[in-house]
Amino acid sequence: DTAVSQTPKYLVTQMGNDKSIKCEQNLGHDTMYWYKQDSKKFLKIMFSYNNKELIINETVPNRFSPKSPDKAHLNLHINSLELGDSAVYFCASSQGKGIGHSPLHFGNGTRLTVT
Amino acid sequence: AQKITQTQPGMFVQEKEAVTLDCTYDTSDQSYGLFWYKQPSSGEMIFLIYQGSYDEQNATEGRYSLNFQKARKSANLVISASQLGDSAMYFCAMREGQRGGSEKLVFGKGTKLTVNP
Repeated sequence: DTAVSQTPKYLVTQMGNDKSIKCEQNLGHDTMYWYKQDSKKFLKIMFSYNNKELIINETVPNRFSPKSPDKAHLNLHINSLELGDSAVYFCASSQGKGIGHSPLHFGNGTRLTVT
Repeated sequence: AQKITQTQPGMFVQEKEAVTLDCTYDTSDQSYGLFWYKQPSSGEMIFLIYQGSYDEQNATEGRYSLNFQKARKSANLVISASQLGDSAMYFCAMREGQRGGSEKLVFGKGTKLTVNP
C-alpha cells in the first residue's frame, strides 16, 4: 500500500536530454511538493501544488516544469538536463492546504544522474 | 540566513545508550512547527516526531522524544536505547510560510548517526 510513489527510482541520462519524473499519492492529500536533495544531502523545496494550483515556485530554473493533472498527481519535467541537475528528487504530500501540524509524506525518491 | 542549524555533522553512540541530536532554529513567527525525519541508507524519508510552538509538553513517540526549549530556540531529538537500525541521517525541519497557504518545510543539513555494537 504505497502512499506516495515515484517513478522511476533511478534515471541515468545524458546532458541536453529531456526527462520526466512521475509522482502519485493515494492519501487523499490536497498539497504536493517536489524537493531536491543534493550530493551533500541538503533538502530544498522546489515546488508545491495545492489541488492542481501552483503555490510555491522556489526560484527554480525554467527548465524545470511541474505539472499537476489532478490533486493526486504531480509530475516533474526537466528540459535540457545539465550535470548540476544530478540529485535525488523527492515528491511529498500533505493534508489540507499546507502543512499545519501534519508531516510531509515523502516518496522514496528518484536518483537522477546526468552524464 | 540559515533557518535550521544542526551543528553535528556526525555522531556516534553505543548500542542501548541514549543520544541527543541538536537542532536550533531561527524564526520571528509566534506559531511554527518543528519536525524530525530519519533517512536510512536506503534513502526514504521517515517522519519521526513533531513539536508545535504552542505545545506545552515535549513531544514523545516511543523511543524518540523532543527536548523543546523555546527561549533557546532549540528542538533537540533524544533517542533512547539506541539500536543498530537507528544508524541513519537525521534531519530537523521547520514549517515556514503562511498558514494554510504557501507553507513549506525548511530542512537543516542533517546529522549522520552511527550506532556501534
